[in-house]
Amino acid sequence: QVQLQESGPGLVKPSQTLSLTCTVSGGSISSGSYYWSWIRQPAGKGLEWIGRIYTSGSTNYNPTLKSRVTISVDTSKKQFSLNLSSVTAADTAVYFCARGDSGDYVDYWGQGTLVTVSS
Amino acid sequence: DIQMTQSPSSVSASVGDRVTITCRASQGINSWLAWYQQKPEKAPKLLIYAASSLQSGVPSRFSGSGSGTDFTLTISSLQPEDFATYYCQQANSFPLTFGPGTKVDIK
Repeated sequence: QVQLQESGPGLVKPSQTLSLTCTVSGGSISSGSYYWSWIRQPAGKGLEWIGRIYTSGSTNYNPTLKSRVTISVDTSKKQFSLNLSSVTAADTAVYFCARGDSGDYVDYWGQGTLVTVSS
Repeated sequence: DIQMTQSPSSVSASVGDRVTITCRASQGINSWLAWYQQKPEKAPKLLIYAASSLQSGVPSRFSGSGSGTDFTLTISSLQPEDFATYYCQQANSFPLTFGPGTKVDIK
């Protein structure tokens, strides 16, 4: 059973960089059949796809965030990471890491971690 | 970007009821659509992919249909554990986008 677990600071100051890591267990992160995503959800609101990475390093980002987002992967640690720069209060949300399949459907999710942007 | 809309935004129903949720895409997405269930303080769970394929382990009372721009999620007989918010997601093109959600609550 694949499990994903987010980790990182729960509080980030405005204008700084939000950094989260997702650790994958119970399965291979290196399978070419899957990709690894970040998705966020502001309190009481819907889901926003941030971006994804293949273990080859190939990435796709949401254009609305592309200038501020970097997703990277470390297969040796079975981890992938999210960096979101120049954050504002609008970036306050629960951040989920997730696994997507070849059809771009998300079949495994982390439990989510709340990140608050505040001074 | 492909915009996804859902109707209704909320529905009140009783155990045993048949519930239908509609999702519409702003342009054709063939059958590249998924449905997710989310309970409070939990991550979403994949129910349906490719518009009508049931994800492994999901009860058969859930079904999906549609193609192009109009899609439907049906719960044939609502169970207590089905009270949740349901989201559709298009997988036709980037950025992947989700509908705003439909909350199913107890009547």
